[in-house]
Amino acid sequence: GAGVSQSPSNKVTEKGKDVELRCDPISGHTALYWYRQSLGQGLEFLIYFQGNSAPDKSGLPSDRFSAERTGGSVSTLTIQRTQQEDSAVYLCASSPGTRQYFGPGTRLTVL
Amino acid sequence: TQLLEQSPQFLSIQEGENLTVYCNSSSVFSSLQWYRQEPGEGPVLLVTVVTGGEVKKLKRLTFQFGDARKDSSLHITAAQPGDTGLYLCAGDQRAGNNRKLIWGLGTSLAVNP
Repeated sequence: GAGVSQSPSNKVTEKGKDVELRCDPISGHTALYWYRQSLGQGLEFLIYFQGNSAPDKSGLPSDRFSAERTGGSVSTLTIQRTQQEDSAVYLCASSPGTRQYFGPGTRLTVL
Repeated sequence: TQLLEQSPQFLSIQEGENLTVYCNSSSVFSSLQWYRQEPGEGPVLLVTVVTGGEVKKLKRLTFQFGDARKDSSLHITAAQPGDTGLYLCAGDQRAGNNRKLIWGLGTSLAVNP
């Protein structure tokens, strides 16, 4: 069956530009998570959507980062005025309960 | 605040050796999950342990949840190159309806042929 998909798989941008990363979760999963992962490191929690509840934004590193989830399905993570330290792999996961199903990630490189 | 400590952070061993990865916390978890992540992919769930003292086996992998549900271990017997990857533990504190997991920083395992 279809898993979590993310696009683009790779994104190279220039410092100061805005980027949008997309996540298509597994249909019917009520929870959706965004994480950031630096090379070979663990997961840094960014934001969590659960049903119609207000999202948990406690992991967003600055106000340049925002995310929305439209219609309880697709989610977009937006990074404004990108900085070199934003370079990382951005992972999305969806969940029907506690087990999380991850997409393959978007590798963001800020030059 | 890092609530889940994993050790070792890096491990490089020869094929056929045994190894143990630890995941420790001062907090109690209702359950704990182990994931494996291969390069270029997202983490994939290996197992969930729920009961204190529980032991689960997945082929050559043995997972144990501590009696107090604060720690867990992953033991791999006769490691194979295919076991190479990043192993992550994640704890569920089940705080109301919040299903945000607490993640360890991972153990990067390299099994050399």
